[in-house]
Amino acid sequence: AQSVTQLDSQVPVFEEAPVELRCNYSSSVSVYLFWYVQYPNQGLQLLLKYLSGSTLVESINGFEAEFNKSQTSFHLRKPSVHISDTAEYFCAVSDPGGYNKLIFGAGTRLAVHP
Amino acid sequence: NAGVMQNPRHLVRRRGQEARLRCSPMKGHSHVYWYRQLPEEGLKFMVYLQKENIIDESGMPKERFSAEFPKEGPSILRIQQVVRGDSAAYFCASSPTPGQSYNEQFFGPGTRLTVL
Repeated sequence: AQSVTQLDSQVPVFEEAPVELRCNYSSSVSVYLFWYVQYPNQGLQLLLKYLSGSTLVESINGFEAEFNKSQTSFHLRKPSVHISDTAEYFCAVSDPGGYNKLIFGAGTRLAVHP
Repeated sequence: NAGVMQNPRHLVRRRGQEARLRCSPMKGHSHVYWYRQLPEEGLKFMVYLQKENIIDESGMPKERFSAEFPKEGPSILRIQQVVRGDSAAYFCASSPTPGQSYNEQFFGPGTRLTVL
């Protein structure tokens, strides 16, 4: 069975500082990997995804994540955060042979302070 | 092009009542997934449906919960005889017709169910 572990439930950080949100997964098959962001009282928005190819993937708003197969990790990074990045971030995997249903981690609450 | 729509956005029920949650997928999407988010937790898969078919309901509780996606109209998640533990946010996601190895899921805003 697949599972996702987000090691930090909360990450406080000051504006313009770098941040890393950690994600590890376990799976016996190849998977697709995702990061979703959830703003308060809203649904989930896809931030970025890894399907195949280059192990470094980037979003349009400065986030990036690197797929590391040997460490089974998919950590999310941003070199300089903004107040508007304050949100809940979820790492997820899907089993390509399992109807693409998503298995989510418990989430990391990123709080950016001025 | 409207996104995934869910209604109601907020639903309050007393213990023992029924809750009906609706999800209208994006135009052209024929696949629907339902997820539940309990307080302070991540989303958990419940059920995956195509038009008129339940494909995977491995995440659905065995009793009181059912889902459908009729040929016409929205997908419905139905919870009978609700209990306090059913209080959660229920999210629907839709994806287009298969034909490729990966279909992105687009999420609705969720229905927040409160059971008194």
